[in-house]
Amino acid sequence: TQLLEQSPQFLSIQEGENLTVYCNSSSVFSSLQWYRQEPGEGPVLLVTVVTGGEVKKLKRLTFQFGDARKDSSLHITAAQTGDTGLYLCAGGTQGAQKLVFGQGTRLTINP
Amino acid sequence: GAGVSQSPSNKVTEKGKDVELRCDPISGHTALYWYRQRLGQGLEFLIYFQGNSAPDKSGLPSDRFSAERTGESVSTLTIQRTQQEDSAVYLCASSLVGQGSQPQHFGDGTRLSIL
Repeated sequence: TQLLEQSPQFLSIQEGENLTVYCNSSSVFSSLQWYRQEPGEGPVLLVTVVTGGEVKKLKRLTFQFGDARKDSSLHITAAQTGDTGLYLCAGGTQGAQKLVFGQGTRLTINP
Repeated sequence: GAGVSQSPSNKVTEKGKDVELRCDPISGHTALYWYRQRLGQGLEFLIYFQGNSAPDKSGLPSDRFSAERTGESVSTLTIQRTQQEDSAVYLCASSLVGQGSQPQHFGDGTRLSIL
């Protein structure tokens, strides 16, 4: 069974600080997606990474896919209160019909 | 609208009653997924549809749960004889095709509360 473990499970920091959250597995994935979910809404896709070692930037968010395609990280620079939410990573494999979701990192940015 | 639509947005019912939750996926999306999200938790996979068929029902927690999809469009998730542990947000997602690498587009969910 493929599993994705996210850490930390909870993170609360002050506005302006930097942070990194992690998504790890013992399995290889062909792609890794990151979603953000705000209260009362469904998850929204932020990015998909498909190549080992790939780095993608989305404004203050930097996503990295591990060289072995078993792990990923999300780094946020100068966090803002609007970054608050549940961050979910999800792994896909060739031939599989569904994504494997991590349990999420609940991020709170305090003003 | 262009997104995934779920109804009702909130449902409160008494223990033992049956409930039906509806999902309207994005037009043209052949794959449809149902998830359950308990308070403060991640996503728990329930069932996957490709077209009107459900090749993966492995996440349905008991035989009280069933789902169908018609016209390769609307899907309903039915919970019979509801129990308090069924209280959760039920999320529906659709994707263009049923491949693990495809992005999933989520609705805002139905918040189900069993009294």
